[in-house]
Amino acid sequence: NAGVIQTPRHKVTGKGQEATLWCEPISGHSAVFWYRQTIVQGLEFLTYFRNQAPIDDSGMPKERFSAQMPNQSHSTLKIQSTQPQDSAVYLCASSRTSAETLYFGSGTRLTVL
Amino acid sequence: QQKVQQSPESLSVPEGGMASLNCTSSDRNFQYFWWYRQHSGEGPKALMSIFSDGDKKEGRFTAHLNKASLHVSLHIRDSQPSDSALYFCAAQGSNYQLIWGSGTKLIIKP
Repeated sequence: NAGVIQTPRHKVTGKGQEATLWCEPISGHSAVFWYRQTIVQGLEFLTYFRNQAPIDDSGMPKERFSAQMPNQSHSTLKIQSTQPQDSAVYLCASSRTSAETLYFGSGTRLTVL
Repeated sequence: QQKVQQSPESLSVPEGGMASLNCTSSDRNFQYFWWYRQHSGEGPKALMSIFSDGDKKEGRFTAHLNKASLHVSLHIRDSQPSDSALYFCAAQGSNYQLIWGSGTKLIIKP
């Protein structure tokens, strides 16, 4: 079991460019979460999928952020027109059910210049 | 209003010593409490969960929950340099949402 896999580990974009982050959850896990981590804000919930269906995107900044889970083996987080304030570590996590232990990937560090 | 508060923000403990981390919730709807640990460059990793009053021990780690005061603590005995990390407390109610504290940075000095 390789755990939750996130790619790329690091991504640098220019202001206004698009960034797509990938996550492969642990096989058999029905719950997938995206979080954003910064020193100032700490861990911020972005969005949650259950059995591939979007359940809660209340943490997603509107307009520029979107997340999808086209199949049970991967999820993507897309940020359009990236801004410097989007710079953060984006973490994906999965669990067997939403009430059980979360397993996090190592994250993608996004730097917007 | 932050519903889960952790203290201290930073803690330095000599190797072999006891580290004590605290977490207080402001919401009585929380039923489960989790402790996660994050080493630099990695994602958080679950240490243990607790939902009953009293102590829960797993190896060198002991969690203590007092539901009346909404206080949960984590005690690490015989601290090792590898225990140096950022420790998060998270609270969970009846749904999927975890409410995270801001973390305690633990430094174990050799």
